[in-house]
Amino acid sequence: GAVVSQHPSWVICKSGTSVKIECRSLDFQATTMFWYRQFPKQSLMLMATSNEGSKATYEQGVEKDKFLINHASLTLSTLTVTSAHPEDSSFYICSTPRTMSGRGLNEQYFGPGTRLTVT
Amino acid sequence: KNQVEQSPQSLIILEGKNCTLQCNYTVSPFSNLRWYKQDTGRGPVSLTIMTFSENTKSNGRYTATLDADTKQSSLHITASQLSDSASYICVVSARSGGYNKLIFGAGTRLAVHP
Repeated sequence: GAVVSQHPSWVICKSGTSVKIECRSLDFQATTMFWYRQFPKQSLMLMATSNEGSKATYEQGVEKDKFLINHASLTLSTLTVTSAHPEDSSFYICSTPRTMSGRGLNEQYFGPGTRLTVT
Repeated sequence: KNQVEQSPQSLIILEGKNCTLQCNYTVSPFSNLRWYKQDTGRGPVSLTIMTFSENTKSNGRYTATLDADTKQSSLHITASQLSDSASYICVVSARSGGYNKLIFGAGTRLAVHP
């Protein structure tokens, strides 16, 4: 079953408005969540790393004032795209690591993604 | 610079045929290598994960290999099915400070035709 959920799965908004995307870990606590953006036919690009109870760490070139990240609980992280513009239209995906028992490895579970279209 | 390169960029095969996807990486220090399947409009789903000491890992009809000396990996799909049509992403994990940083390949888009 799904380990990470995202809501909404798709959203269409007008230019200048803000959109909030939720990422939830199901049945386990996620102290760290990653937010990615994916343009058509391209791979995932890491935008930021959010840690529960602290400020997110943004990748170079990602505007922290435009992409607000809140990780207020161990099961929920939100990404808010503020004053969205058409160039922000993309597929946004969150992921969280979860330790694989017995191997000392972190499996990375991805959410199903949110398709954002800004008109 | 840490990089992951995949080939081919896209591939079309007939249902029932086998295929092999390639992944070359220059990532240091290497932690592990993962293959993901991403259906259109969906998030990636893990297929295999291999550490430095593992050179092959199977998951049903998917078999991944890893040559840590040449820094190459392959994903072999046996007896392909229409549902195998997807993007296959090679992801290499690099140790960065206290956590692992994921380096993504651009993916191989596989189309399986009847």
